[in-house]
Order: sequence, then structure tokens, then C-alpha cells
Amino acid sequence: ETGVTQSPTHLIKTRGQQVTLRCSSQSGHNTVSWYQQALGQGPQFIFQYYREEENGRGNFPPRFSGLQFPNYSSELNVNALELDDSALYLCASSPSPGRSYEQYFGPGTRLTVT
Amino acid sequence: KQEVTQIPAALSVPEGENLVLNCSFTDSAIYNLQWFRQDPGKGLTSLLLIQSSQREQTSGRLNASLDKSSGRSTLYIAASQPGDSATYLCAVPSQGGSEKLVFGKGTKLTVNP
Repeated sequence: ETGVTQSPTHLIKTRGQQVTLRCSSQSGHNTVSWYQQALGQGPQFIFQYYREEENGRGNFPPRFSGLQFPNYSSELNVNALELDDSALYLCASSPSPGRSYEQYFGPGTRLTVT
Repeated sequence: KQEVTQIPAALSVPEGENLVLNCSFTDSAIYNLQWFRQDPGKGLTSLLLIQSSQREQTSGRLNASLDKSSGRSTLYIAASQPGDSATYLCAVPSQGGSEKLVFGKGTKLTVNP
């Protein structure tokens, strides 16, 4: 059984650029959630995907978008990057949408926007 | 709107000391509460899950308690070790749904040899 993996590990982008982060869910999990964790803060929920559809969204602007693929892997896309987007981006997979207590987190992608 | 607060923000103790980390939440209608550990720059590892019907949960040297009525949880770490140094986060499912977790800012623990 493989765990949750994320790529890339680190990323440096310039303000105004676009970025795509990737997440592979744990085997048997069909739900992926994305969180943003700024330095010194707790993770903040961005959105969740279930069966390729968005299933809940936090207080993030539309330039944060996502996709889920038939194999349940997921992408987080951020357009028009801002300095405040610098953070650790975590994805978590779970067996179903209503089981947040069974979310398994990946190691994260560290995004730096300069 | 559910809000989670953790006190203290940072804690430094000598090895072997017993310690308590605190977590409070504003909406007591929670399904469960989780404590996580996060090493620097890394993902989250779930330590303990307490269901709303439980008052405490234990795993090795860790014991977590839950008092829903007062909106509080504590994580007790016995006989702390340098390897316990990490940030500890508590989280509850969001109000009105359990699709997302609401986290506190965490307590950064340093255990000195």
C-alpha cells in the first residue's frame, strides 16, 4: 500500500506566474483535499475533490483551481501568483468525503513566490 | 464559524519532563478531534483521534482528553524525549460538515537533552 505522494518537493516561482502541484492519493482513497499552510500557521482548507468533482471549497479566490483524475490523483493550479501564496501546500486523501478523520497527508510542496 | 486556538505557541522543556498542550474550539458540536504532529517542513502525522462520545484516548506516552461542553482538549506527553520535538496541531471537522478540517496554529515543542 503506497502513501500519499506530492510533487514537486520544492518550487520557486515569480509573482504573476502560474503553478501546478500534483498529488497521488493513497491506494483505495477516492477523495483528495488540499490545504495551504503559511509559515507559523495551521493548514487552511482550499478545496476537496471527490469523483472528479469539487466537493467543498474554503475561502480562496478563483485563481486557485483543481482537478481530479479517474485514478483519483489530483492537481492544484494557482494562477497569477502573489507573494502571499508562498506556503507549504499539503494534500490529503481519504476513503470518502465524509471521513475527514481518515485523511492521510502527503509530505507537501514548498512554494516560494519571489 | 469554527475557530481553533492552541496555547502555548511554543514550549521548551528538559528531557524527561511531563507536559500538557492545550487546544480550544469555539463550536462544541464537533464529531471528533484529532491531534497531529508535524516535523519541520513536513506533512502531518495523525497521533490521536478522539470521537465526540469519548473523553480520552491514549497511545503510548501520549494521552489526549476532550471536554466538548467547555470546548477544550489537552494533549499530555509523559516523560518527554528529544525525539518528541515537533509542532503539535489539533484539528476538528468544520461546522456544518466534515469534509474539511479546521486547524489551530500549533504548539512548537522543543525537548532539550
